[in-house]
Amino acid sequence: SQTIHQWPATLVQPVGSPLSLECTVEGTSNPNLYWYRQAAGRGLQLLFYSVGIGQISSEVPQNLSASRPQDRQFILSSKKLLLSDSGFYLCAWSVGGTGRYEQYFGPGTRLTVT
Amino acid sequence: AQSVTQLDSQVPVFEEAPVELRCNYSSSVSVYLFWYVQYPNQGLQLLLKYLSGSTLVKGINGFEAEFNKSQTSFHLRKPSVHISDTAEYFCAVINTGGFKTIFGAGTRLFVKA
Repeated sequence: SQTIHQWPATLVQPVGSPLSLECTVEGTSNPNLYWYRQAAGRGLQLLFYSVGIGQISSEVPQNLSASRPQDRQFILSSKKLLLSDSGFYLCAWSVGGTGRYEQYFGPGTRLTVT
Repeated sequence: AQSVTQLDSQVPVFEEAPVELRCNYSSSVSVYLFWYVQYPNQGLQLLLKYLSGSTLVKGINGFEAEFNKSQTSFHLRKPSVHISDTAEYFCAVINTGGFKTIFGAGTRLFVKA
């Protein structure tokens, strides 16, 4: 069966510090991968998605970036965090190329920028 | 471009009462529709999906939804809710052949004893 891991679960970082959140998927190959941010009391904002290694599409121009160094690994980064980067970050995957469009979500990382 | 509108931000309901969470979507192309549930401090889980076929789809935990193409709606229903159904529910849409799912703002269902 497939599983998705995200870490860390919680993170408190000062403004201006760097960020690295990691997501890995097990039990599937060539998944589509997604990073979302969920601000308190709000819906999901798609940040990045990837349909293959090294292929990243950005939805929101900002100080965040994403990379996919391996087929089942997706990393969200920032060189300098802003207060507005606080939120709940969710990684998700979907089966690539088969027409099955449902997404499977990780447990999330709660980021607080102080 | 697609959009999703969840008409109620919060729905309080008593235990064992029926509930309907409303969702309308807008799209110029064919879409697939989903409902996801999020429990506090967790990721989202798929409740049900409509891809094609019967417009009434059944999901987990006794939920069902009906696709109405003419009204561009996909309302979620449960005939009798439990305390454990307290969560946030998201309606979502993706165009056929697409990669990006568009989520509604969510409806917080609060079940009272």
